[in-house]
Amino acid sequence: QVQLVQSGAEVKKPGASVKVSCKASGYTFTSYDINWVRQATGQGLEWMGWMNPNSGNTGYAQKFQGRVTMTRNTSISTAYMELSSLRSEDTAVYYCARGVRVSGIVGATLADYWGQGTLVTVSS
Amino acid sequence: DIVMTQSPDSLAVSLGERATINCKSSQSVLYSSNNKNYLAWYQQKPGQPPKLLIYWASTRESGVPDRFSGSGSGTDFTLTISSLQAEDVAVYYCQQYYSTPLFTFGPGTKVDIK
Repeated sequence: QVQLVQSGAEVKKPGASVKVSCKASGYTFTSYDINWVRQATGQGLEWMGWMNPNSGNTGYAQKFQGRVTMTRNTSISTAYMELSSLRSEDTAVYYCARGVRVSGIVGATLADYWGQGTLVTVSS
Repeated sequence: DIVMTQSPDSLAVSLGERATINCKSSQSVLYSSNNKNYLAWYQQKPGQPPKLLIYWASTRESGVPDRFSGSGSGTDFTLTISSLQAEDVAVYYCQQYYSTPLFTFGPGTKVDIK
């Protein structure tokens, strides 16, 4: 069965960086995109960006441009999201979600499976 | 960017009664070339990740009970739970995947038992 297993909770100081991992199993890792979505406590869902594990191509939400980097290691079917220059407002649960390509619009994907989430707390 | 809005913010419904959630997009998410609406609905229970319920505005994901249905086209959409069960208590989000690769989500609607 498809599974996305994320790394454990992190506590970071303002100005530091965090790197969250997302290990995929149950499907061919390079055949589906990986999206990253975050959710502050009690808040809604915010899309951060996308990566194609086959090509390594990425696309980031404008809000995170310059601060986020998405990478992968295909040999271990794992995607990574690194966020730098952390501030208190970055305290949130970070999710990876598999993106399945859908018909019609070129490149359109649907997030069908999600990781369990990783809590990142930014505090001095 | 396409902005998604939802109404109401929350609702409480008696067990076995109907729950209706509305979602509106700031521009059409209907792609004329294939006549499909790039609109999905997710359910999120406390402490869990979102779960895909419906895509193409009205197609249920495999394993989703048929009491969940989606309707609408263009800019106005509805998620209906025909007979609310205790396990349906959750926050429901609509999401557009038209403006790929950028997803945008609605703010969510919390459903509780009255």
